[in-house]
Amino acid sequence: AQRVTQPEKLLSVFKGAPVELKCNYSYSGSPELFWYVQYSRQRLQLLLRHISRESIKGFTADLNKGETSFHLKKPFAQEEDSAMYYCALWSGTASKLTFGTGTRLQVTL
Amino acid sequence: DAGVIQSPRHEVTEMGQEVTLRCKPISGHDYLFWYRQTMMRGLELLIYFNNNVPIDDSGMPEDRFSAKMPNASFSTLKIQPSEPRDSAVYFCASSWGSGPYNEQFFGPGTRLTVL
Repeated sequence: AQRVTQPEKLLSVFKGAPVELKCNYSYSGSPELFWYVQYSRQRLQLLLRHISRESIKGFTADLNKGETSFHLKKPFAQEEDSAMYYCALWSGTASKLTFGTGTRLQVTL
Repeated sequence: DAGVIQSPRHEVTEMGQEVTLRCKPISGHDYLFWYRQTMMRGLELLIYFNNNVPIDDSGMPEDRFSAKMPNASFSTLKIQPSEPRDSAVYFCASSWGSGPYNEQFFGPGTRLTVL
């Protein structure tokens, strides 16, 4: 069965510091991974997807199949990055997303 | 488009009462998903529908939970009887198609508190 692990419930960083939100997965097939974000008083929304190889709002994520990881990174944190971040894995066999437990990012001055 | 609409936004009820959560997906979307969000378990998929037909309900916690989709623009999630451990935020999401290229759009959620 597929599984997504986000080891940190809360990550607190200073503005301007680098950010890395950890995500590890367990999946027997070829993984398709995503990061979703929920800003305060806003809906959960897609931030970026592995298959698009994109950078959104300065965030990037690289799939490392050897380490089964998909960590989310940003070189310089901004206050507006404070939010709840969920890593998610798409299962082709089950046709559904499996989410991690989420990490709350807190960017302080 | 107002996006996915959920009602009510907040629900407080007493243990043993029936609770009904409602969802209106984005027009034209053929997939509808119900998720539950808790601090301990994060976001869990409860059930999803394709063209109004339930496809996978393996995430429904127990028989007290049921979901229906009588038409393409409406779905309900019912808990009967409710228990304090059901307290959570329940999200509805919809998408056009199902796959890694098909983004799921989430509603604002219903915060349920069972006393």
